[in-house]
Amino acid sequence: DAGVIQSPRHEVTEMGQEVTLRCKPISGHNSLFWYRQTMMRGLELLIYFNNNVPIDDSGMPEDRFSAKMPNASFSTLKIQPSEPRDSAVYFCASSFWTGEDYGYTFGSGTRLTVV
Amino acid sequence: GQNIDQPTEMTATEGAIVQINCTYQTSGFNGLFWYQQHAGEAPTFLSYNVLDGLEEKGRFSSFLSRSKGYSYLLLKELQMKDSASYLCAASNQAGTALIFGKGTTLSVSS
Repeated sequence: DAGVIQSPRHEVTEMGQEVTLRCKPISGHNSLFWYRQTMMRGLELLIYFNNNVPIDDSGMPEDRFSAKMPNASFSTLKIQPSEPRDSAVYFCASSFWTGEDYGYTFGSGTRLTVV
Repeated sequence: GQNIDQPTEMTATEGAIVQINCTYQTSGFNGLFWYQQHAGEAPTFLSYNVLDGLEEKGRFSSFLSRSKGYSYLLLKELQMKDSASYLCAASNQAGTALIFGKGTTLSVSS
């Protein structure tokens, strides 16, 4: 398995531009999570989906952020318009749970810089 | 509310043993995870504790006390490559999101 795949790995954009981050979860995993990591705040949960349905988006900072999961193999996190304080590493993770076993795997992340 | 506390930094020398503590307060509790994260990389899974007690996996062991809201990660025979951030995370229910502590940066010196 290729693991959780995120793109792009790095993104540099100007303030005010739209940014779209992409994630392909591990096949067979039924939950998908978006996190943001900064030195000051650590790893923060933004939103997560179960079976493609958004369950908890209370971590989304404001209306500039939106996330979709149109099918089991793809999700996007969009920031519009972007601001310098959005600069961070954004991780996508996917998970499965069988009742006896639990797996939770991260992608390589997207390092976003807004100038 | 949910709160996960762990020390910010720790230092140790090669060959030594180090224990990284984690306390948690969550509304509901399913299990406790430990992840390792090297600089510039993604977190990678180390351990998952559901029941009280110690689980050993090679040089790494993890302990959980549900009644005390406490866990620790024990690293033995430290190597330079163990220099990394160690993240404690709790899940409220199986299948829900993990909530992470801010991580403990471990520096191993020769």
